[in-house]
Amino acid sequence: EAQVTQNPRYLITVTGKKLTVTCSQNMNHEYMSWYRQDPGLGLRQIYYSMNVEVTDKGDVPEGYKVSRKEKRNFPLILESPSPNQTSLYFCASSPSLADTDTQYFGPGTRLTVL
Amino acid sequence: QKEVEQDPGPLSVPEGAIVSLNCTYSNSAFQYFMWYRQYSRKGPELLMYTYSSGNKEDGRFTAQVDKSSKYISLFIRDSQPSDSATYLCAMSDILGANNLFFGTGTRLTVIP
Repeated sequence: EAQVTQNPRYLITVTGKKLTVTCSQNMNHEYMSWYRQDPGLGLRQIYYSMNVEVTDKGDVPEGYKVSRKEKRNFPLILESPSPNQTSLYFCASSPSLADTDTQYFGPGTRLTVL
Repeated sequence: QKEVEQDPGPLSVPEGAIVSLNCTYSNSAFQYFMWYRQYSRKGPELLMYTYSSGNKEDGRFTAQVDKSSKYISLFIRDSQPSDSATYLCAMSDILGANNLFFGTGTRLTVIP
């Protein structure tokens, strides 16, 4: 089954404790991205990657890092989480950057930073 | 002013009703328009995709774009309880998944 998986699905942590949210897709997609979803603000892009070793900032990259060492994986790293990073996070993938109409989203990771 | 405005609802309708969901936008350069459906505790899934103005129909769903008014709509005919979800509009001016502007979503409940 074609899918985007994220782990963990739920995470409660404390300020400053480094964490990684994993994202994996099994569709051989070149393009992957991370979003955060907040009430009243909608989905905002954090980082995206057009291919292996190619990443770029989205609209709200501050406080986040990403890496793309393999095509299927695109982890999101919070080096020193803060309470304002409490949010619902989604990973997404599509065959290429241009394939706006075939973007698949993962199930989401709900992060709470105390 | 936000690039994309969407009434958050919530919107409750009886089963079988026609539902109208809407978004307005400020950037006249937007030409790619999408509607996503997001069930509770799930990621968004693309429902409809249209380019430029006009209508597009897919089963019970019709997407409508009025560029002159900067207004897009999603109509759901014969609404079903399974349509209960949050509906997000998204749009962009150039082709590229890194360039989407999302609405905040409208929560819809279809009551049996």
